[in-house]
Amino acid sequence: GIQVEQSPPDLILQEGANSTLRCNFSDSVNNLQWFHQNPWGQLINLFYIPSGTKQNGRLSATTVATERYSLLYISSSQTTDSGVYFCAGEGSYIPTFGRGTSLIVHP
Amino acid sequence: DSGVTQTPKHLITATGQRVTLRCSPRSGDLSVYWYQQSLDQGLQFLIQYYNGEERAKGNILERFSAQQFPDLHSELNLSSLELGDSALYFCASSGKQTDTQYFGPGTRLTVL
Repeated sequence: GIQVEQSPPDLILQEGANSTLRCNFSDSVNNLQWFHQNPWGQLINLFYIPSGTKQNGRLSATTVATERYSLLYISSSQTTDSGVYFCAGEGSYIPTFGRGTSLIVHP
Repeated sequence: DSGVTQTPKHLITATGQRVTLRCSPRSGDLSVYWYQQSLDQGLQFLIQYYNGEERAKGNILERFSAQQFPDLHSELNLSSLELGDSALYFCASSGKQTDTQYFGPGTRLTVL
């Protein structure tokens, strides 16, 4: 199956800092998504981004499908951004998640 | 609120028992996915149904089974429960117009 590698595994920021999270795939994937799991366990869809660039407020994402990676940018981080960020992609209808990037934003 | 509902929120049971988890997808969504999240295994895909038919199967144990009903809600049945089955179980749904998955709040299963 497809392997999904996320980096960094852990990230600690001061409020207001910017960060870039990366997701590498071992093979081509469909339906690439980014999710945020908040401290209460809820998984929230951030972006559906099989290719190209999208922006939503302070968050943006870029996927370079030909090179099998995706990036999530968080600008001007806030304490509410804390949690775990996952990327996921599908190969042959099988969704595979990365292990996530655990983000802590300190006030 | 994603529009996906899951019941119950919490479930505590004993080894050897059987439980049923329920999921109602967002209105209009035809696909339902089931996932297991544990600390050591991360988020693992179990099974997907599309409009009542099984579409893809992941790391689902033989002790586990699922189905999607004509009204599109889905149930995940877990039997002969073991301590290692303790986890957060999520369902997600996606529609025919978009493959974006929207997750429910999860069911936390504790097997004692």
